[in-house]
Amino acid sequence: DAGVTQSPTHLIKTRGQQVTLRCSPKSGHDTVSWYQQALGQGPQFIFQYYEEEERQRGNFPDRFSGHQFPNYSSELNVNALLLGDSALYLCASSLEVPGNTEAFFGQGTRLTVV
Amino acid sequence: GNSVTQMEGPVTLSEEAFLTINCTYTATGYPSLFWYVQYPGEGLQLLLKATKADDKGSNKGFEATYRKETTSFHLEKGSVQVSDSAVYFCALSNQAGTALIFGKGTTLSVSS
Repeated sequence: DAGVTQSPTHLIKTRGQQVTLRCSPKSGHDTVSWYQQALGQGPQFIFQYYEEEERQRGNFPDRFSGHQFPNYSSELNVNALLLGDSALYLCASSLEVPGNTEAFFGQGTRLTVV
Repeated sequence: GNSVTQMEGPVTLSEEAFLTINCTYTATGYPSLFWYVQYPGEGLQLLLKATKADDKGSNKGFEATYRKETTSFHLEKGSVQVSDSAVYFCALSNQAGTALIFGKGTTLSVSS
């Protein structure tokens, strides 16, 4: 079992550009959540996808958008990048069953905006 | 709103010392509580969890008890090792399958 895999591991973009990050969930998982972790901070929830729909969203602007594919993998898109978007982006997957609270995290994508 | 507050770090200990990292929370209802660990350059790993009051989560010698009366979930370990050096995050989820809310993290450094 490969666990949650994210790509790329590192990325450098210029202010104003657009970026796409990718996530493959743990085998058997159907729900994907994205988090932003700024340096020295805890992860902040961006949004969650289930059945190819955005089910829950945190306090992030519309520049942050996502997608979930039929195979449950997911993409995070960020438009009009700002210097403040530099962070570690974490993907977490889980299985949608009643009472399940466990999420598994990937290694993250380190995004640097210059 | 829901929130998690952790003790400020860094925490520096000698090997075999006793560890406590304090965590308190604010939430409506009955959240599930978690401790995650992040080793340098890696993502988050679930260390332990508790889903209802008075539950004790435990793993790898770490323990935490869900205390509803004090809204706390303090992490403890009786004897730390150098390999325990990492950043520890307390988190809550107010409903199964929903977003995790994290504290700011506490850096633990253990020396031999």
